[in-house]
Amino acid sequence: GAVVSQHPSRVICKSGTSVKIECRSLDFQATTMFWYRQFPKKSLMLMATSNEGSKATYEQGVEKDKFLINHASLTLSTLTVTSAHPEDSSFYICSASQGAGEKLFFGSGTQLSVL
Amino acid sequence: QQPVQSPQAVILREGEDAVINCSSSKALYSVHWYRQKHGEAPVFLMILLKGGEQKGHEKISASFNEKKQQSSLYLTASQLSYSGTYFCGTDYGNTGKLIFGQGTTLQVKP
Repeated sequence: GAVVSQHPSRVICKSGTSVKIECRSLDFQATTMFWYRQFPKKSLMLMATSNEGSKATYEQGVEKDKFLINHASLTLSTLTVTSAHPEDSSFYICSASQGAGEKLFFGSGTQLSVL
Repeated sequence: QQPVQSPQAVILREGEDAVINCSSSKALYSVHWYRQKHGEAPVFLMILLKGGEQKGHEKISASFNEKKQQSSLYLTASQLSYSGTYFCGTDYGNTGKLIFGQGTTLQVKP
């Protein structure tokens, strides 16, 4: 089955630094990927839709200058948390599908802890 | 626009049945169901498309009532492995973008 790979799985960083998270579709091309954020025991909150070759579409309330998304190829999307602060600590998870109306394949997630 | 799931939590004994509901205030194109275990990525269970179809996957099945904008997930003869948090994800216009409900935590005890 289709696989989505996400790295790193866990990152601890100091306040003020930037962190990049990679999401790759390993055996299919994904023109669209989605980035979610999840707090402990809470739902998956959609942050943005990553579009290959064009700008990402951010959900209301998500700071695009804070969470930079780049989708440079059909198999790779990156999320950069810029100038991270403790309130950015969360579980970030990417997903991709093989087309609209198809199931989402999720990456394994990245647990970000900002000290 | 977040769909509403009910109940929030369920505790079952092995072999018992459960129903999890997902309601939307907006017209749906499709409903997706996922199960997530602690610290892991969500795993796909099934998709229901506009048209009121019902789907089954072993002892887990689901229905989609387009008129009521609701979907229900049915877990029969539950097993310990069914424990986890169940999310419904709604697609409002065949965009592929899913908005997830708040989740239903299911605990199956021996």
